[in-house]
Amino acid sequence: DVKVTQSSRYLVKRTGEKVFLECVQDMDHENMFWYRQDPGLGLRLIYFSYDVKMKEKGDIPEGYSVSREKKERFSLILESASTNQTSMYLCASSPPITPLHFGNGTRLTVT
Amino acid sequence: GQQLNQSPQSMFIQEGEDVSMNCTSSSIFNTWLWYKQDPGEGPVLLIALYKAGELTSNGRLTAQFGITRKDSFLNISASIPSDVGIYFCAGSISGGYNKLIFGAGTRLAVHP
Repeated sequence: DVKVTQSSRYLVKRTGEKVFLECVQDMDHENMFWYRQDPGLGLRLIYFSYDVKMKEKGDIPEGYSVSREKKERFSLILESASTNQTSMYLCASSPPITPLHFGNGTRLTVT
Repeated sequence: GQQLNQSPQSMFIQEGEDVSMNCTSSSIFNTWLWYKQDPGEGPVLLIALYKAGELTSNGRLTAQFGITRKDSFLNISASIPSDVGIYFCAGSISGGYNKLIFGAGTRLAVHP
C-alpha cells in the first residue's frame, strides 16, 4: 500500500511566522503535490513537483513556496503565515499517468 | 480558472437508500475521478473513468463518464453508515493528473 505521511496532523502558528509542512512518500513516486482544502471550495492545487528540485505552480501559489531536495520528501513553506492561510493542507503523490494518493492532511490554524 | 459544479452540497439519508451525485463542467474533460474522504483522513480514490460513456462499478458504487464529456455521475446503492464522508469529483482536461480540478464535494450523512 502506498503511504503518504504528513508530519503533523494539527499545527497552530502565529501571524508572520515561517511555517514548514512536511510530506514523505514511501513508493518512489515521481510526482508530489500540495493542495489546500476549504469548505465549499474543494481541493485547490498550490504546487506540484515532477522530479527532485523541479516544481510548478498550481492554481493558488501566492504566499507559498515548496522544496523538493529528495524524491521522497516534498515540503510546503509559508514564508510569513497569515490568517487567510488557515486551512487543511493535503499532500499527495503519484507515479506518472496514475491517480493521486493523498496523505491524511495537516490542519493549520494561523492566529 | 476552470470550475466543476458538484451537487448536491450535502445529503442526509436513511440507511438502505440509494444516493446520486454529479459534477458538471463548461469544459470537456478527458478523465473523471471520484474520491471519498472519511472524517479526519485524506481522500481515497474510488473510481477512475477515461472514456465518454464509460460506466464503471466498484462494489455498491457506480460512476459514469458523461457522453458530452462535460459531466460525471456517482451512484451509491443501498447506503450503509460507513458511506458517511465527503465525496469529491475531479477532472482533467489534458487527461493527466498534474492539474486536476476538484469539485467542492458532496457531504453525505447516513442515518441508521
